[in-house]
Amino acid sequence: DTGVSQNPRHKITKRGQNVTFRCDPISEHNRLYWYRQTLGQGPEFLTYFQNEAQLEKSRLLSDRFSAERPKGSFSTLEIQRTEQGDSAMYLCASSLGRGYYTEAFFGQGTRLTVV
Amino acid sequence: AQSVAQPEDQVNVAEGNPLTVKCTYSVSGNPYLFWYVQYPNRGLQFLLKYITGDNLVKGSYGFEAEFNKSQTSFHLKKPSALVSDSALYFCAVRDMAPTAGNTPLVFGKGTRLSVIA
Repeated sequence: DTGVSQNPRHKITKRGQNVTFRCDPISEHNRLYWYRQTLGQGPEFLTYFQNEAQLEKSRLLSDRFSAERPKGSFSTLEIQRTEQGDSAMYLCASSLGRGYYTEAFFGQGTRLTVV
Repeated sequence: AQSVAQPEDQVNVAEGNPLTVKCTYSVSGNPYLFWYVQYPNRGLQFLLKYITGDNLVKGSYGFEAEFNKSQTSFHLKKPSALVSDSALYFCAVRDMAPTAGNTPLVFGKGTRLSVIA
């Protein structure tokens, strides 16, 4: 499968714990995006990378959230001290190119449940 | 700020009938517009996009969309619906104004399409 891969697919954690998600983009895609989707809502932008550089972060991305893409390939999204409001589907997407006209390809997401 | 509105949470249509899923947008500059579809337990899949040129855009699975600048709309259409088209559809926009910053895509809340046999 050469699509965007996200792991784990599901994560249940206790409030206050830290969690880390991984995203493997389509090979050679230089842009990588993180979105969050809650029930009944569309995906909300969190952050994105061009190669290893983090170019934009949403105000939704509080200090408890951090994302990295150390070598311009896979990316990780860490949430520290999770809260119940963090429960959501976390989507990763990737695209090729420098402009915003190329479509993004999405992974199946990681569903986080904070109990 | 850029935004997208999908005024219908749910659209029901009989199989074989034409379908329309509505989308309106708000941007400061010119828009890049996209439609994505989400099937259960699947990631979002790209359907089609408008960047520039012909206002009628054709995409995957027989879908098309018409860009209407005066009405700031980008409605998704298909001449004959299939039961397999039942899914969640998202419209998304990217504002190309210089002041829009680097936010890539803003999505609408989605419209659930149900095609009834």
